[in-house]
Order: sequence, then structure tokens, then C-alpha cells
Amino acid sequence: EMQLLESGGGLGQPGGSLRLSCAAAGFTFSRYGMSWVRQAPGKGLEWVSSISPSGAGRFYGDSVQGRFTISRDNSKNTLSLQMVSLRAEDTAVYYCAVLVGPAQYFDSWGHGTLVTVSS
Amino acid sequence: NFMLTQPHSVSESPGKTVTISCTRSSGSIASNYVQWYQQRPGSSPTTVIYEDNQRPSGVPDRFSGSIDSSSNSASLTISGLKTEDEADYYCQSYDTNNPWVFGGGTKLTVL
Repeated sequence: EMQLLESGGGLGQPGGSLRLSCAAAGFTFSRYGMSWVRQAPGKGLEWVSSISPSGAGRFYGDSVQGRFTISRDNSKNTLSLQMVSLRAEDTAVYYCAVLVGPAQYFDSWGHGTLVTVSS
Repeated sequence: NFMLTQPHSVSESPGKTVTISCTRSSGSIASNYVQWYQQRPGSSPTTVIYEDNQRPSGVPDRFSGSIDSSSNSASLTISGLKTEDEADYYCQSYDTNNPWVFGGGTKLTVL
């Protein structure tokens, strides 16, 4: 069973930075693409960023391009999201998810970590 | 960029059948797979349909997915509704320029 555990959320200042992590277990992490998806309070799902199994391919949504950086450490089964230049609209629960299949859809999801951007 | 449009909410009685639509604004709905995710209150999303009409193991066959090219839309149909089906449902698809796009979500109320 794929298991994902996010951490690193909390209160961030506007213009500040935070780093999220996602610890993976129960599957061969290095074989799967991974993603971050967020959900603002009371709102729908928004894709944030994805990374290929090797880490060579990185993709970002328009709203975070240039501010967020996705990375992975296959030796530690860990996915990360470095967030800088935080904005109030980045306030959300951030989920990590595994990408599977030809459609590269989101299969297993973590429980999420809440990021609040406020002064 | 294309959008996926879903009804904001639907409601139906236990035991009945409900269909949730997901309309693609541009590009063919049939060109790229559509997925459906269920999110119960306070929980993370889970996949109920992938690749247009495939069910993950553990998802009951009361859930089905389909594609209609004439309306450029996808549909999620849930038959024999149960109170446990009450949740938000999101469709998701992609294309070359938009890797992962979600619909706005539909709140299903089982009365």
C-alpha cells in the first residue's frame, strides 16, 4: 500500500518562504512521478507541480511558476516543495500524490499539510 | 488553456442514480483521458474512475464513467446511491500545454 506523509506546513509571512516534505513508503518511490496538489479553504483542487521519476522533468502551474521548486531524493524516498515569495493566495492544504498510468493521474494521496500565509 | 466545467451541486435520494457532468471548453474530450476523484468531508481525495471508465480496485461497480464526444463532456454515474457517497467529486484531464487540469468540483448530497 502506498503511504505518503506530508510535513512542513505552518504559518508563513507574505514574501517569506516555507519548505514542504512528503515521506513515501510502501512502494518503489524512484519508479513513480510525484505531484503536489493544493486546496484553498472551501475551494477546489489545484495542481501545483509535478516531477518525473528521475527528477529530470519538473512542471509547474502558472500560479506558482518561478516561485516554487519541486525536488525529490530517491535515496530517502522524499519529495519536497520549496516555496518562496509567498502570497496570501498560497494559503491551502498541500497534498502530495503519486502519478500512475498512461494518463499520469493522481493515485494515492497524502493527508495534506496546511500552509497559511498571513502577517 | 482549456477548462473543465462541472455543476456546483447535485442531490438525489438513497437508492437512486445520479450523473455528474464535466464539460471541456476546448479541445476534444476524447483526446485525453478523464479521471474522477471523490473527496469526503475532512478527507483526502481518492480516485473513483481513471482513464475515462476504469475503476480502481475497491471502488464498487455502482460507479461508472463515460465520454460523450457530441457534448464534449465526461460523466460520472453513481447508481444505488448510499449516504456514504455524499462527497465532493472532481473531474480531471490534461493536454500537451496543460498537464493537469481539474474541474471546479460538484457537491453531491444524498438526501
